[in-house]
Amino acid sequence: GENVEQHPSTLSVQEGDSAVIKCTYSDSASNYFPWYKQELGKRPQLIIDIRSNVGEKKDQRIAVTLNKTAKHFSLHITETQPEDSAVYFCAVNDYKLSFGAGTTVTVRA
Amino acid sequence: NAGVTQTPKFQVLKTGQSMTLQCAQDMNHEYMSWYRQDPGMGLRLIHYSVGAGITDQGEVPNGYNVSRSTTEDFPLRLLSAAPSQTSVYFCAISTGDPSGANVLTFGAGSRLTVL
Repeated sequence: GENVEQHPSTLSVQEGDSAVIKCTYSDSASNYFPWYKQELGKRPQLIIDIRSNVGEKKDQRIAVTLNKTAKHFSLHITETQPEDSAVYFCAVNDYKLSFGAGTTVTVRA
Repeated sequence: NAGVTQTPKFQVLKTGQSMTLQCAQDMNHEYMSWYRQDPGMGLRLIHYSVGAGITDQGEVPNGYNVSRSTTEDFPLRLLSAAPSQTSVYFCAISTGDPSGANVLTFGAGSRLTVL
């Protein structure tokens, strides 16, 4: 299956600062790249996604960028708030979804 | 997320016991899947189904069995539980779009402990 690497595994930021999480993948045929957020004890929930024909997508304070040539995509969270503290997973879709190992984001007040 | 129901939420088993995790959906989606979540390893696909009567293996299928007799239900069976199967299990449906993207909606999860 698809090999998805996610970095960093943990990220601590001051409230109001930005957070960036990066994922790399191996299969150039992959065409869909979602990001999921999982709060403690809860289920993963889709927060943003990007298709292979788009380079960037924004939704309020979150954005995702995709570099298909280099086979990596990133999640950007601006003006972080305490409610952004969670585990974030990237995923890659060829014929099924393969997930990265996750990034634990902690926003310090 | 009310469309995907998983039971039980918690279960403790002894090594060698068998059990079934239930997953039901009321959204009439064809694609259903089971993932396990372990610390530091993300979500790993166990089995998936693209419709009634069709199942296929994911990346970690050993020790698990599935069937899909109806569109609504996709149970996951542990045939002989092992401590390595201690994990949180998530059922997910895909609201797949015409491009083939798997837009997943997860159930609430089932925490399984095997002693």
